Amino acid sequence: QSALTQPASVSGSPGQSITISCTGTSSEFETYNLVSWYQQHPGKAPKLIIYEVTKRPSGVSNRFSASKSGNTASLTISGLQAEDEADYYCYSYATSSTWVFGGGTKVTVL
Amino acid sequence: QVQLVQSGPEVKKPGASVKVSCKASGYTFAGYDMHWVRQAPGQGLEWMGQINPDSGATKYAQKFQGRVTMTRDTSISTAHMELSRLTSDDTAVYYCAREMYSGGVCYFWGQGTLVTVSS
Repeated sequence: QSALTQPASVSGSPGQSITISCTGTSSEFETYNLVSWYQQHPGKAPKLIIYEVTKRPSGVSNRFSASKSGNTASLTISGLQAEDEADYYCYSYATSSTWVFGGGTKVTVL
Repeated sequence: QVQLVQSGPEVKKPGASVKVSCKASGYTFAGYDMHWVRQAPGQGLEWMGQINPDSGATKYAQKFQGRVTMTRDTSISTAHMELSRLTSDDTAVYYCAREMYSGGVCYFWGQGTLVTVSS
């Protein structure tokens, strides 16, 4: 069964940059550029901020960037702002046409 | 504009089934796969499965195989997710989410439906 592992929490001060990692266990994770990232504020539905590893949907701040190397994908938030405090989830194609979320990372702005 | 409006909260007893609806508007319903994602209280997101509204073809996460059924009614642009044999572990907010265009990227989300399983 495919799994995506994220750190439980990451924190940073306003203006700093932070990076969240997402490590996949399946060969599909390494092979396909199908990693997305979602931001979720408490009580709200998730919001897509990155898709296909590096692409930002229209309207998403360019302070969000992402990459993937081997079995690890990364989301970087630059110029950290108070509004970035939220939970972040990676999401990827798993196997046999199924999809999987990472466990989520709580970002705290100090 | 694209809108996904889900049915209201549900309270169910253990062993029962629940059916959550997701009414779509603002686009061609049959043109985009619909995914279902759930989130237990204080927990992370969990992908449950998806349905192609055009063909009705479904794909479910292994965890829910045999217990979940996703259907659609194209005449009213509505997707349904039914989960059977409920336990307290199924207490969660259930979301429908429409793909951006293809490739599993969930872009538009419903508001979520809280399902509480309690005796």
